[in-house]
Amino acid sequence: DAGVIQSPRHEVTEMGQEVTLRCKPISGHDYLFWYRQTMMRGLELLIYFNNNVPIDDSGMPEDRFSAKMPNASFSTLKIQPSEPRDSAVYFCASRQDDAVYTFGSGTRLTVV
Amino acid sequence: ELKVEQNPLFLSMQEGKNYTIYCNYSTTSDRLYWYRQDPGKSLESLFVLLSNGAVKQEGRLMASLDTKARLSTLHITAAVHDLSATYFCAAQPYSNYQLIWGAGTKLIIKP
Repeated sequence: DAGVIQSPRHEVTEMGQEVTLRCKPISGHDYLFWYRQTMMRGLELLIYFNNNVPIDDSGMPEDRFSAKMPNASFSTLKIQPSEPRDSAVYFCASRQDDAVYTFGSGTRLTVV
Repeated sequence: ELKVEQNPLFLSMQEGKNYTIYCNYSTTSDRLYWYRQDPGKSLESLFVLLSNGAVKQEGRLMASLDTKARLSTLHITAAVHDLSATYFCAAQPYSNYQLIWGAGTKLIIKP
């Protein structure tokens, strides 16, 4: 298996622009998680899905952030409009019931 | 509310020495995870500890769990430079799949 695949690896955008991050989980994994990592706040869970349904989105910072999972093999995290404080590394992770969480390589987002 | 504390947050040590990273959590937890992260890289799963007294070993790393003390340890034996990384512990509450993360321990092993 290729693991959890995220794209793009790096994204540089201007403040106010829309940003879309993509994730393909491991086939057969029922859960998908979006995390954000910064030096100041560490790892933060933004949202997670079970069988494509959002279960807990309490970590989504504000209405500018949205996430979707239209099918079992694809999820997006969108920021609109982006702000410099959104600069971070965004990780996607997936897991099967009773298994470890497998992380993707991350997307390093820089908003200037 | 489940909280996780790691210490130390930074550790510099010589090759060949032994050391332990501590992970305390505030309330009962379903399971405890240890991950490794190299600079600019993703998080790599090291261990999952499920029950009291659980001990797992991989190479020079050994993790243990004491649920009564709400404490997990990651012990490094005869450290080598390749083990330099940031190590995170994370606890999973019984109620959901949200992992609660420690702040991470940055480990530097000098030759």
